[in-house]
Amino acid sequence: LAKTTQPISMDSYEGQEVNITCSHNNIATNDYITWYQQFPSQGPRFIIQGYKTKVTNEVASLFIPADRKSSTLSLPRVSLSDTAVYYCLVVDYGQNFVFGPGTRLSVLP
Amino acid sequence: EAGVTQFPSHSVIEKGQTVTLRCDPISGHDNLYWYRRVMGKEIKFLLHFVKESKQDESGMPNNRFLAERTGGTYSTLKVQPAELEDSGVYFCASSQAAAGDHFGGDEQYFGPGTRLTVT
Repeated sequence: LAKTTQPISMDSYEGQEVNITCSHNNIATNDYITWYQQFPSQGPRFIIQGYKTKVTNEVASLFIPADRKSSTLSLPRVSLSDTAVYYCLVVDYGQNFVFGPGTRLSVLP
Repeated sequence: EAGVTQFPSHSVIEKGQTVTLRCDPISGHDNLYWYRRVMGKEIKFLLHFVKESKQDESGMPNNRFLAERTGGTYSTLKVQPAELEDSGVYFCASSQAAAGDHFGGDEQYFGPGTRLTVT
């Protein structure tokens, strides 16, 4: 089973760029890496997804190195409303979806 | 567009009782997933339906858990009999795209979860 690791928590200030890295040492070669955001009492919400190199959308960027054993979610210019828990999600060789432990991001004024 | 809904939002039952959780996916989504997070642990995958067929139920903890998706619409997850360690939040998610060459390539829409407490 794939094992994913993430920092437990991070603090940032408004307007800063935040980078959260997830290590996934057993990801299959054909599988996507997805990041989700979760607020209290809500289900996870899709942020961004990628397979390799770099992906950018209107809210974030995702960097994936060539070996795909890690990925970095980049949030540009965070605001107070970005305070949440961020999870990476990968699919291991058994087609089992594996969530990372989550990174609790606190954005301070 | 209505999102994924789950019922009930909270359930408190005694050990040994039965509980059935329901998930209504987004209309037209063939894929339906169940996950759970027990206290202090990570979100764990339970199983995956494509329409009414179970694709992968490797995450189901034991035979006290039974998931069904009759007709390929809503799904139920029954826990019988419930044990204390079953307490946690159960999430359902749905997605539209079927897995192709690249697995996990579909955006999953999550419901708000059902908080189950077994006393």
